[in-house]
Parts: sequence; C-alpha cells; structure tokens
Amino acid sequence: GDSVTQMEGPVTLSEEAFLTINCTYTATGYPSLFWYVQYPGEGLQLLLKATKADDKGSNKGFEATYRKETTSFHLEKGSVQVSDSAVYFCALISARQLTFGSGTQLTVLP
Amino acid sequence: DTAVSQTPKYLVTQMGNDKSIKCEQNLGHDTMYWYKQDSKKFLKIMFSYNNKELIINETVPNRFSPKSPDKAHLNLHINSLELGDSAVYFCASSQEGASYEQYFGPGTRLTVT
Repeated sequence: GDSVTQMEGPVTLSEEAFLTINCTYTATGYPSLFWYVQYPGEGLQLLLKATKADDKGSNKGFEATYRKETTSFHLEKGSVQVSDSAVYFCALISARQLTFGSGTQLTVLP
Repeated sequence: DTAVSQTPKYLVTQMGNDKSIKCEQNLGHDTMYWYKQDSKKFLKIMFSYNNKELIINETVPNRFSPKSPDKAHLNLHINSLELGDSAVYFCASSQEGASYEQYFGPGTRLTVT
C-alpha cells in the first residue's frame, strides 16, 4: 500500500538556522502531497500542499517541492524561529484518506 | 469559535470500563474522522464517516465504534478499555472532495490504568 517515510527526529536547531526535514513516499500514481504541523497540545494543521509534480507548496516561510523523480517532498525553511517548534508530518492522499508519516519533532532554541 | 471541539480533554479510567469521547464541528463539513496518536506521535486513522459510508480501518478492534447522531457530530465509543488504548485521540473533519484539508480538534488524552 501507499506509505510515507520521514526522517527520524528529534531535530534541534538554533534560531535562524536552516531547516530541512526529509520526506519520501511510495504510491501508485501521483498522489497529492502535504505537510501538516502539530504545535504542543494542539491538533494538526495543514501547513502546505502540492498537487502535481514540480509544484512548490509554501506557507509561513516553509517550502516543499514535489519531486516525482525522487518521490520526495522535503520541507525547508531558511530561518527557523522558536515559534516553529512543533511536530511536522508529511502526508499523501490515498483512497480519499490521508496517510501520514511518523512525524518529526523540531525544537528551536533561542 | 472553535471549529472542531472534543470533550473531554483528559480522560482517566480503569481497565474494563466503557467510555465515550464526543466530537463536534461547526464548519458545515460532511466527513468526519477519528485518529489515534500513540506516545511516539505516530498517527493512525481509525474511521472516516460521512452520511453515505463508514470506512473502518481493519486494524481497529471492534471494541471501538463511531456513533453519529447528526452531520456535525461523530462520537467515539470504546468498550472494555485496555491498557493499550491509552493514547491521544483526535477528531477531524473535511469537506467531501477536499479530504486532504482536514481540520483537527485539540485531542483527548485517554489514560487507562
């Protein structure tokens, strides 16, 4: 079945550092891809999405590009802030349901 | 206004008990979901439901059952609670045709002792 693999966490960075969280997927066809974010004590929120190859999703300074050749959708941000500390989930749509990766805990230190 | 709300926020109970978690959404969505998040943050879908069909994840024990009194509510009932049921349970909703954009509730932390 379809699946999503994320880099293992936790990830700890200093404020203003560059962030990359790797995500690769296995799927039949070309599913839409997403990043969700879960802040402490809250539910998940959609952060960004890309619906076809070479699309770039972006929001709040985060970006991810849908790479069909490498079946990847890595999340990047040029300069992280303490307020970005959260768990980040990569996901795809499969049979009208979201399939999530295992999540990556990000901690940003001041 | 809270878009997706859940009650209670915390639930502590003993093994063997039966409990329910309530979920309500005021977004006018027609599809609702229940997820289980374990201690390692792994998120697993349990059910998705709209007025046409209930999709059950085959790995979910039949002690778990969703109950929907109307389109805005999807409650989760759990019979004969076990230690392994301890987790955070999230309700979510979406509009049919946009199932990727799900709105999540704040979660219910269930602890079974």
